[in-house]
Amino acid sequence: QVQLQESGPGLVKPSETLSLTCVVSGYSISSAYYWGWIRQPPGKGLEWIGSINHSGSTYYNPSLKSQVTISLDTSKNQFSLSLRSVTAADTAVYYCARGGVYYDILTGYPYYYHYYMDVWGKGTTVTVS
Amino acid sequence: QSALTQEVSVSGTVGQKVTLSCTGNSNNTGSYGVAWYQQMSHGPPKTVMYGDSLPSGIPDRFSGSRSGTTASLTISGLQPEDEADYYCSTWDYSLSDVVFGGGTKLTVL
Repeated sequence: QVQLQESGPGLVKPSETLSLTCVVSGYSISSAYYWGWIRQPPGKGLEWIGSINHSGSTYYNPSLKSQVTISLDTSKNQFSLSLRSVTAADTAVYYCARGGVYYDILTGYPYYYHYYMDVWGKGTTVTVS
Repeated sequence: QSALTQEVSVSGTVGQKVTLSCTGNSNNTGSYGVAWYQQMSHGPPKTVMYGDSLPSGIPDRFSGSRSGTTASLTISGLQPEDEADYYCSTWDYSLSDVVFGGGTKLTVL
């Protein structure tokens, strides 16, 4: 059973870089799937930050693209988020998640999605202050 | 303002059937499957539907459908543990972005 766990500092100063790591257990991230980051500001809805696949291809939220880097560390079976030049607006709960998969009914071929998540971490709160 | 439109709140009694809707346009809900996420108070999201596909472990009282640019999540036989916020989401190819609805608060009376 795949599990994801976020870790990182809970407090970041404005203009600095927010760095978070998601450790994956129960599955090798180098095998398949997209792996993503989503955040939720206090009292607000969900916002996708970006996703990376097992070979390192990335998709980023266009409004965050200039600030964000998502990377893989297959030796540690983890992936990371780097968000530069943060402001108070980046205060949120940050979730890591695994992208979904659809198996073709006829062929059984898997199609991996970066835009919907099927397994989520518990989240980690980051305050920018 | 969210790219996808959801009801702000929906309520129902135990055993009732309720339907949550998610309306977008031809660039998003009209072209791509819609995921539904359930979020209990102060907890992480949980995926309860993608398109009309039920993830493993999700009760079959949950079902998904789409008509035109509106996706729907139906809960047949509402249970107290279904009380939560529900978010819909999909890909928007014109924005090259994952878009979300603002969320529906489901109350079980």
